Amino acid sequence: AQTVTQSQPEMSVQEAETVTLSCTYDTSENNYYLFWYKQPPSRQMILVIRQEAYKQQNATENRFSVNFQKAAKSFSLKISDSQLGDTAMYFCAFTSGGTSYGKLTFGQGTILTVHP
Amino acid sequence: EPEVTQTPSHQVTQMGQEVILRCVPISNHLYFYWYRQILGQKVEFLVSFYNNEISEKSEIFDDQFSVERPDGSNFTLKIRSTKLEDSAMYFCASTLSGGGQETQYFGPGTRLLVL
Repeated sequence: AQTVTQSQPEMSVQEAETVTLSCTYDTSENNYYLFWYKQPPSRQMILVIRQEAYKQQNATENRFSVNFQKAAKSFSLKISDSQLGDTAMYFCAFTSGGTSYGKLTFGQGTILTVHP
Repeated sequence: EPEVTQTPSHQVTQMGQEVILRCVPISNHLYFYWYRQILGQKVEFLVSFYNNEISEKSEIFDDQFSVERPDGSNFTLKIRSTKLEDSAMYFCASTLSGGGQETQYFGPGTRLLVL
């Protein structure tokens, strides 16, 4: 079974600075997808960024980028120029690309607080 | 932009009562999911649904739970006899295809409180 681990329960950063959230996962599969979801206080789950395991290039979405290290099974999220609206719980998630019907396995989450 | 909707946003029920949580997935999506998040904990997969049948379910999804797509738009989760430990946020999600090729889009959730 796949597992996803986020070892940082809480992180904080000053507005406009950069912060990196860590995620590791365990799988025996070669074809899979990784995601970062944001959950603000409203508790809506919002996709931040996704990475296909077969792609060597790290995904980027504006201020958000990932450092995907497939051999190390590591998938960290970097937020540049942090904004107050980035304050949220961030979940790393995994889904198999094989015969899976798309079930997402989530990590425990990291609470990020951006301070003015 | 199309979105997943869920009703009600909040539901309070007595232990032992039946509840039905409703979801309207994005219209052209084919795969549907329910997840649960107990307060302060991680999001957990409950069940996936494709082609009018359950495709995968977790050990949480026992005989007290059932899902249904009663018409072309709604996707429901029924809990037959609620327990205190069913109190959680329930999220519906949908995607165009399974296997991770397409992103899952989540609804805003239903907060269920069992007293």
